[in-house]
Amino acid sequence: ELKVEQNPLFLSMQEGKNYTIYCNYSTTSDRLYWYRQDPGKSLESLFVLLSNGAVKQEGRLMASLDTKARLSTLHITAAVHDLSATYFCAVAFSKDFNKFYFGSGTKLNVKP
Amino acid sequence: ETGVTQSPTHLIKTRGQQVTLRCSSQSGHNTVSWYQQALGQGPQFIFQYYREEENGRGNFPPRFSGLQFPNYSSELNVNALELDDSALYLCASSLPPGQGGQETQYFGPGTRLLVL
Repeated sequence: ELKVEQNPLFLSMQEGKNYTIYCNYSTTSDRLYWYRQDPGKSLESLFVLLSNGAVKQEGRLMASLDTKARLSTLHITAAVHDLSATYFCAVAFSKDFNKFYFGSGTKLNVKP
Repeated sequence: ETGVTQSPTHLIKTRGQQVTLRCSSQSGHNTVSWYQQALGQGPQFIFQYYREEENGRGNFPPRFSGLQFPNYSSELNVNALELDDSALYLCASSLPPGQGGQETQYFGPGTRLLVL
């Protein structure tokens, strides 16, 4: 069964610092997603990565995908308090694309 | 364009009862998936509906069942509720492959179920 592991699970950082969240998965996949979830809220789509070497950036967040290493990263640049949330990666397959396998999430707390 | 909506927002039930949760998909989306998210965990896939038929199921017992209607809205039914069923239930809609987009799933706000 596919396993998706994120680390760290908890991350506390100061505003202005940089950090990276890692998402490893156990089986070759051809699509990877990053979502954000605020407390008590639903999931907000951040990035969709569909090919090896894909890199996408939005504001202070940048996501990349290495399908050979089965690894995706979410890099945070010059963190601000508003980025505090839980971040999930999810993996899916073309043959079963609507079944998403989620990681456990990384809870990010950015201190002012 | 309206997003994914779910009802009710919160629900309290007792063990052994039955519950029905509802979801309206985003305009134009004909595929609906349901997820269970326990506290502090990532969402787990329950099942997916496409053209009113179940099109994939996760590791959940048969007491979890669903329906999809011609307007693409969907229901999740859970019979014989257990304490461990307490969770946030998320509905997500999407387009099937080949109909544009990147098969991203768009999530509703969820229904928080508490089983006592």
